[in-house]
Amino acid sequence: GENVEQHPSTLSVQEGDSAVIKCTYSDSASNYFPWYKQELGKRPQLIIDIRSNVGEKKDQRIAVTLNKTAKHFSLHITETQPEDSAVYFCAADTSGTYKYIFGTGTRLKVLA
Amino acid sequence: NAGVMQNPRHLVRRRGQEARLRCSPMKGHSHVYWYRQLPEEGLKFMVYLQKENIIDESGMPKERFSAEFPKEGPSILRIQQVVRGDSAAYFCASSLRRATNEKLFFGSGTQLSVL
Repeated sequence: GENVEQHPSTLSVQEGDSAVIKCTYSDSASNYFPWYKQELGKRPQLIIDIRSNVGEKKDQRIAVTLNKTAKHFSLHITETQPEDSAVYFCAADTSGTYKYIFGTGTRLKVLA
Repeated sequence: NAGVMQNPRHLVRRRGQEARLRCSPMKGHSHVYWYRQLPEEGLKFMVYLQKENIIDESGMPKERFSAEFPKEGPSILRIQQVVRGDSAAYFCASSLRRATNEKLFFGSGTQLSVL
């Protein structure tokens, strides 16, 4: 079946450093890639998304890059802050449908 | 504009009982999706519903699980004769249109614990 792999599973960075989370997907027909942030016991919240006709998208300290040829996309967080600590999930749509396949998550810890 | 509302937040059931999880989508949204999240795992698609219609239930176990989204009222995910393996967080999401390239907005989830 379709699959999204996410790495690393845990990531610790010093406050102010950058964090990068990478995902690969298997469905070449995928064309929408959202990223969600989930704090402990709370709902997943959409933080940024990218469509296949764009290679990069930036929103303040957060950026996402997409390489359709290699079928991978990455989340970049610059100048990390303690409040960035959470679990981050990548996702991809399946063959352009409503079914999103989620990665297994990355637990990011920003150390003060 | 209230977000996606789910209740209860926590639900404890003994093996063999029924669990009913409710979800009210965002105002104006008529597309509802249920996802299940096991500890340390990502969200797994279960079912997609529009008002009074089940569009895709391919991610839902064939037995004991059912979902509905009536013309009036919230969407309901029902699990009959619960077993310990059903313990998980169940998230509901809604979208304005059919979620192809659409943003999904999630509720706070229902944490189901089966004793």
